[in-house]
Amino acid sequence: SQELEQSPQSLIVQEGKNLTINCTSSKTLYGLYWYKQKYGEGLIFLMMLQKGGEEKSHEKITAKLDEKKQQSSLHITASQPSHAGIYLCGAGRNTGKLIFGQGTTLQVKP
Amino acid sequence: KAGVTQTPRYLIKTRGQQVTLSCSPISGHRSVSWYQQTPGQGLQFLFEYFSETQRNKGNFPGRFSGRQFSNSRSEMNVSTLELGDSALYLCASSPQGSSYEQYFGPGTRLTVT
Repeated sequence: SQELEQSPQSLIVQEGKNLTINCTSSKTLYGLYWYKQKYGEGLIFLMMLQKGGEEKSHEKITAKLDEKKQQSSLHITASQPSHAGIYLCGAGRNTGKLIFGQGTTLQVKP
Repeated sequence: KAGVTQTPRYLIKTRGQQVTLSCSPISGHRSVSWYQQTPGQGLQFLFEYFSETQRNKGNFPGRFSGRQFSNSRSEMNVSTLELGDSALYLCASSPQGSSYEQYFGPGTRLTVT
């Protein structure tokens, strides 16, 4: 099984709807990162969360970290076609390595 | 500041050949990490270089190697290519290391035939 599990694996929403993507770690988190990727391209850094209870927002995207549950959620409000892509969570490990979840593919229907 | 650049963007090689990929980090960033992304395995960590030294290594065979130069530019080499090496290879740079936010390049799409 994956050290970082993302759910759902894919999501199709109507433009204007809200959505949430979850990322759960099976091991202690040393920082949680959210990235967005257009198919076949590089990753775009969205947010980094380091402390339990931390919440960050950028435009219509909000990410929260629940350190006790070893879980993070990414919430998009009033989705737009520009939000479509693959969302990946990444987590730091005490080895210094960064590992990633399998990604959540988001489609936004106009 | 210019972003992370990778060359070439696309590459087609034959089984048994070797390949070298290049990555130029963001100016001032000293850490470069390499990842392999495939549909089946997702994004997997290959290795990280910091100040010309390999600091971390993922679980890949010895055919995968890398190096970093004094200007922080990095190269990744894959010898004796196999069909399963077909993937998007991404490099990321960070000011301090892989435990901090990383900025990714556009990737090199390698196809092995």
